[in-house]
Amino acid sequence: GAVVSQHPSRVICKSGTSVKIECRSLDFQATTMFWYRQFPKQSLMLMATSNEGSKATYEQGVEKDKFLINHASLTLSTLTVTSAHPEDSSFYICSAPSRGNTGELFFGEGSRLTVL
Amino acid sequence: AQTVTQSQPEMSVQEAETVTLSCTYDTSESDYYLFWYKQPPSRQMILVIRQEAYKQQNATENRFSVNFQKAAKSFSLKISDSQLGDAAMYFCAYRSPLWGFGNEKLTFGTGTRLTIIP
Repeated sequence: GAVVSQHPSRVICKSGTSVKIECRSLDFQATTMFWYRQFPKQSLMLMATSNEGSKATYEQGVEKDKFLINHASLTLSTLTVTSAHPEDSSFYICSAPSRGNTGELFFGEGSRLTVL
Repeated sequence: AQTVTQSQPEMSVQEAETVTLSCTYDTSESDYYLFWYKQPPSRQMILVIRQEAYKQQNATENRFSVNFQKAAKSFSLKISDSQLGDAAMYFCAYRSPLWGFGNEKLTFGTGTRLTIIP
């Protein structure tokens, strides 16, 4: 079964509004989570690293004031797209590292954001 | 910074045949993890196979196997007895061996879309 759950799977919003996406680790604690963005037919690009109890680390070129990340607990990270515009429409995927030594990341189901 | 390159945007294979997807990477680290992830139309990322760089033996998972050439920095995926359910985007990914401070992040290649011909 899924070990990382993401919600909502689809969201449509009007331009100028804010949208929150939640990412939960199930049955394990994640001090770090990663947020990726994927445009149609493209690869996953890392947006930011979410750190429990501290500020997120953003990749170069990602606007931290537009993409607010909060990691308030060991099982929940949220991504808020503020003042969304059509160019923010994309597929957003969260992930959390395996707690074992496999090195893999567990991925959420993804959230498709459409900004009208 | 590490980079991952997949030079085949699209591949197709006849059902029950074998196909190999290519991946090369660039790194200055001596130890690391490499992965192949599958992304079907549902967009859920699914781990196919993983390889630790210090292990010389190529990883195998049922019909999936890799050809890991560390000196050449090559990590190809072989799918044997291809099935319709194998149709998906396949991403090669690199991970640092370090833990903490975000080092667990994956760097992905551009992906290869695999089509299975019935």
